[in-house]
Amino acid sequence: DQQVKQNSPSLSVQEGRISILNCDYTNSMFDYFLWYKKYPAEGPTFLISISSIKDKNEDGRFTVFLNKSAKHLSLHIVPSQPGDSAVYFCAASPASGTYKYIFGTGTRLKVLA
Amino acid sequence: EAGVTQFPSHSVIEKGQTVTLRCDPISGHDNLYWYRRVMGKEIKFLLHFVKESKQDESGMPNNRFLAERTGGTYSTLKVQPAELEDSGVYFCASSQGLAGVQETQYFGPGTRLLVL
Repeated sequence: DQQVKQNSPSLSVQEGRISILNCDYTNSMFDYFLWYKKYPAEGPTFLISISSIKDKNEDGRFTVFLNKSAKHLSLHIVPSQPGDSAVYFCAASPASGTYKYIFGTGTRLKVLA
Repeated sequence: EAGVTQFPSHSVIEKGQTVTLRCDPISGHDNLYWYRRVMGKEIKFLLHFVKESKQDESGMPNNRFLAERTGGTYSTLKVQPAELEDSGVYFCASSQGLAGVQETQYFGPGTRLLVL
């Protein structure tokens, strides 16, 4: 049973435009959410996070939005650059316990020059 | 500061053989996690160490997998005997271990295991 879902396996965006990656979750006990970027043959690299007490977190070109009532989060990249081409994983973690991450299946973003 | 390192980067073994993966966390990080990604699917949690103690091993697939973290520094994950379905990329991650605080986990490059 997939608790974190990324329904779009791939996304193509023109350079300079906005990339929007989406993620849905089912477990209301999740209270910490993260986005990781992964290049081929490398490990996931932390991008940005958000806790459940906030609905938006911004870091440079990257903004994560959290809609708790809809159990939905999204990552906005503005402006998109060719170097952003990678697989993006959404991850969620519960409020207590071991803080293990539950990952989605990833969305492959391709930014076209 | 050195990141999380994993060894080997690749391993190809035959079914029934034994393989040991190693992870060196970021220096000073008490929390160490193992994850696995199979066949391009999601990255799945295997287990979590706090220092040398296993905090959560609910994701370990079966008793062919044994993880250790002697001395609370590096960790090993042994698969014995390996089966075809064990093929995948094994990631290690670490975090500092501040009590009661959600922390970012930093991942290593992974070990790509292929069981033939």
